[in-house]
Amino acid sequence: GAVVSQHPSWVICKSGTSVKIECRSLDFQATTMFWYRQFPKQSLMLMATSNEGSKATYEQGVEKDKFLINHASLTLSTLTVTSAHPEDSSFYICSASDDRDRFTDTQYFGPGTRLTVL
Amino acid sequence: GQNIDQPTEMTATEGAIVQINCTYQTSGFNGLFWYQQHAGEAPTFLSYNVLDGLEEKGRFSSFLSRSKGYSYLLLKELQMKDSASYLCAVRDPPYNTDKLIFGTGTRLQVFP
Repeated sequence: GAVVSQHPSWVICKSGTSVKIECRSLDFQATTMFWYRQFPKQSLMLMATSNEGSKATYEQGVEKDKFLINHASLTLSTLTVTSAHPEDSSFYICSASDDRDRFTDTQYFGPGTRLTVL
Repeated sequence: GQNIDQPTEMTATEGAIVQINCTYQTSGFNGLFWYQQHAGEAPTFLSYNVLDGLEEKGRFSSFLSRSKGYSYLLLKELQMKDSASYLCAVRDPPYNTDKLIFGTGTRLQVFP
């Protein structure tokens, strides 16, 4: 159980284009999902908290107009990187916690999406 | 401020025991997690501590002392496949009950 998928696993795009990344909880419902970014040899940095049916909560320094988050259902959240630039190249990872797990609220991570902007 | 410290790198020998320490200073505390992350892959959940003491799960154990702001992950009978980064993360509840703050991670290399 507790499987989270991400699509695509990797993407290469031209500067100025937009890229959409999907995060799905496969065998559980997740009212809340999280989006992280990880640069090489660094730890995970939380970008935003995605809430089903409401606006995402962005961390300080993360541009909400550049990183659009839509949490349309209890099993799907999407992150769209708009007008991508080379400095947006990174490893993007989503996580989700099972709505039924109110004790530990363990976050389970997707396999990540490696974005390269040329 | 929020601060979680871990050693950057550690090395150990196959079959040995290694202890990875984590100290934290956060505005709130609602549990500490350990994750394993192999290069280029997403983190996988290892353990969770919210009360003081030791939690054992097979070859891995995790300890927590809330008064000292300290945790460690103990790996026994090391195997080559244990070479990975180990991330300590604290759940900080003030604004979001699920928000995790991650340490920089400890890169463990296991040698034959």
